[in-house]
Amino acid sequence: AQKITQTQPGMFVQEKEAVTLDCTYDTSDPSYGLFWYKQPSSGEMIFLIYQGSYDQQNATEGRYSLNFQKARKSANLVISASQLGDSAMYFCAMREPGSSNTGKLIFGQGTTLQVKP
Amino acid sequence: DVKVTQSSRYLVKRTGEKVFLECVQDMDHENMFWYRQDPGLGLRLIYFSYDVKMKEKGDIPEGYSVSREKKERFSLILESASTNQTSMYLCASITTRRLRLGNTEAFFGQGTRLTVV
Repeated sequence: AQKITQTQPGMFVQEKEAVTLDCTYDTSDPSYGLFWYKQPSSGEMIFLIYQGSYDQQNATEGRYSLNFQKARKSANLVISASQLGDSAMYFCAMREPGSSNTGKLIFGQGTTLQVKP
Repeated sequence: DVKVTQSSRYLVKRTGEKVFLECVQDMDHENMFWYRQDPGLGLRLIYFSYDVKMKEKGDIPEGYSVSREKKERFSLILESASTNQTSMYLCASITTRRLRLGNTEAFFGQGTRLTVV
């Protein structure tokens, strides 16, 4: 069965430093998509970045980059130059293989990131 | 801007009550989802709908039903609320028009924190 694992329940990072949030996934389907979402304390889920399984390059969006290692089945999120506003819960998610018509997502457990001033 | 709006941010209900959680999206998205979020478990799919009056069970449908009478509105119903349904509920929507491109993200509402006493 498809699965997403985030092994870090909580992380601390000093402001202006970089931080890596881990995500591993399990699927036997060659075609899949990986997403990262941010959830501030207000509750809404904010889309950050996407990586397709066939993408040749690692995805980047501003201060966010995705360290995609297909052979290891990992899709770690790297946040550079952390800001206080980055304090939130972060979820890794996979578009369920074969769900190209539905958009269903499988989520990891989440990682709470706290940025220290 | 896509907007997904959930009718309540916080809700307190009594055991045995019938509870309605409403979700409205304004971007003509075809597919809508209800997820439940619990600490350490991430988000789990309760139900989703791919068209008006069409629905499919997700991973944890027991104790819930849904209704989609209009394209923009997707309701989650707790037939007889129980304390183990105390949770955060998130509604999401996605357009299928670009799903096959892979990088189409789901848009989420701000969540409803439901407490059943």
